[in-house]
Amino acid sequence: KNEVEQSPQNLTAQEGEFITINCSYSVGISALHWLQQHPGGGIVSLFMLSSGKKKHGRLIATINIQEKHSSLHITASHPRDSAVYICAVRVGYGDKLIFGTGTRLQVFP
Amino acid sequence: GAGVSQSPSNKVTEKGKDVELRCDPISGHTALYWYRQRLGQGLEFLIYFQGNSAPDKSGLPSDRFSAERTGESVSTLTIQRTQQEDSAVYLCASSPPTLTSGRLYNEQFFGPGTRLTVL
Repeated sequence: KNEVEQSPQNLTAQEGEFITINCSYSVGISALHWLQQHPGGGIVSLFMLSSGKKKHGRLIATINIQEKHSSLHITASHPRDSAVYICAVRVGYGDKLIFGTGTRLQVFP
Repeated sequence: GAGVSQSPSNKVTEKGKDVELRCDPISGHTALYWYRQRLGQGLEFLIYFQGNSAPDKSGLPSDRFSAERTGESVSTLTIQRTQQEDSAVYLCASSPPTLTSGRLYNEQFFGPGTRLTVL
């Protein structure tokens, strides 16, 4: 069993829909990252959070430390949001990240 | 400003040959990470450099893999006697010093990756 699990693995949506991607982890962490990987491979850091909730534009990330769970929400989804979304956790206070296998999102017009 | 750059962007090699992959981090970033992403799989940590500290090599899959970093600048990842299972995208990331941010840790900025194909 992976230490970081994401669901769903694949997700399709119509433009304008509200999207939720989930991440569960089984280890103690000091921070959780949400990353976006576009076709062609480029990776962009979306959020780094250790508690509560963060919002950036149409993206919202939440984390529940007690439940070892985080969600990434996309409001009013758009075709340009199509990408792989990756959850990664920083274990303890070290510097290594453990990655989930990603959620492939396709948003159709 | 300039982001993390990696070269080459693509590398095709024959089994048994050695390859060198290069990463230029963002200027001023003290931390540098190498990751590997095999086709259809998640990213795997390989090695981490932080300033002048000894690197964390715990993710290197075998002694055929090594990496060096000159001060706080360029890093090279070397794979000796390449095998077909080494085929992957090799990603480099850097992050700024925590002293300047006041945090214990910082987000990582990723390069575009080097796609390695071992025939």
